[in-house]
Amino acid sequence: DGGITQSPKYLFRKEGQNVTLSCEQNLNHDAMYWYRQDPGQGLRLIYYSQIVNDFQKGDIAEGYSVSREKKESFPLTVTSAQKNPTAFYLCASSGVSGNEQFFGPGTRLTVL
Amino acid sequence: GENVEQHPSTLSVQEGDSAVIKCTYSDSASNYFPWYKQELGKGPQLIIDIRSNVGEKKDQRIAVTLNKTAKHFSLHITETQPEDSAVYFCAASKQNQGGKLIFGQGTELSVKP
Repeated sequence: DGGITQSPKYLFRKEGQNVTLSCEQNLNHDAMYWYRQDPGQGLRLIYYSQIVNDFQKGDIAEGYSVSREKKESFPLTVTSAQKNPTAFYLCASSGVSGNEQFFGPGTRLTVL
Repeated sequence: GENVEQHPSTLSVQEGDSAVIKCTYSDSASNYFPWYKQELGKGPQLIIDIRSNVGEKKDQRIAVTLNKTAKHFSLHITETQPEDSAVYFCAASKQNQGGKLIFGQGTELSVKP
């Protein structure tokens, strides 16, 4: 099946720890994105990558880091510098046009 | 930068009635407007989109209209069913922005049987 997978579905972290969220796609899409969703709010862009080995900051990049070593993978690291990391994290990908974005099932991160 | 406002935040309708959700955008250069449906605990699913060169697009029970002059677009769902209950998001982007979507705040639609 073609699609976007995110793992794990639920993640718990202690304060002060870094944690990495996985995102993989087999749609042969060039562009990939990470969004954060808080209760009752829309999606906010953290980072995006239009091509392998290149990525740009979104609107709320502080406290996060990414890498894009392979076309299929775009992992997101939530660092200890992120002051309020508890949220639902969504990964998306799109083709060259960059418009039609398809989302993964999400990872719910809770900081204990 | 671009800003997208979405109304209403919650909407309750009876099964079989129509539902309308409205969004306004601030950047007149925006040219792509998708709508997403998100069920509880899942990722958003693209349900319909429209580009700035057309005024209306329809797909079975859902339709989207775009008014470029007024900078607003709307989602119309006819003959609503309980399975239409979800949160709906509008978004806007422009071609030279590398696919960056700016999302509205979401509308929680409840269809009562």
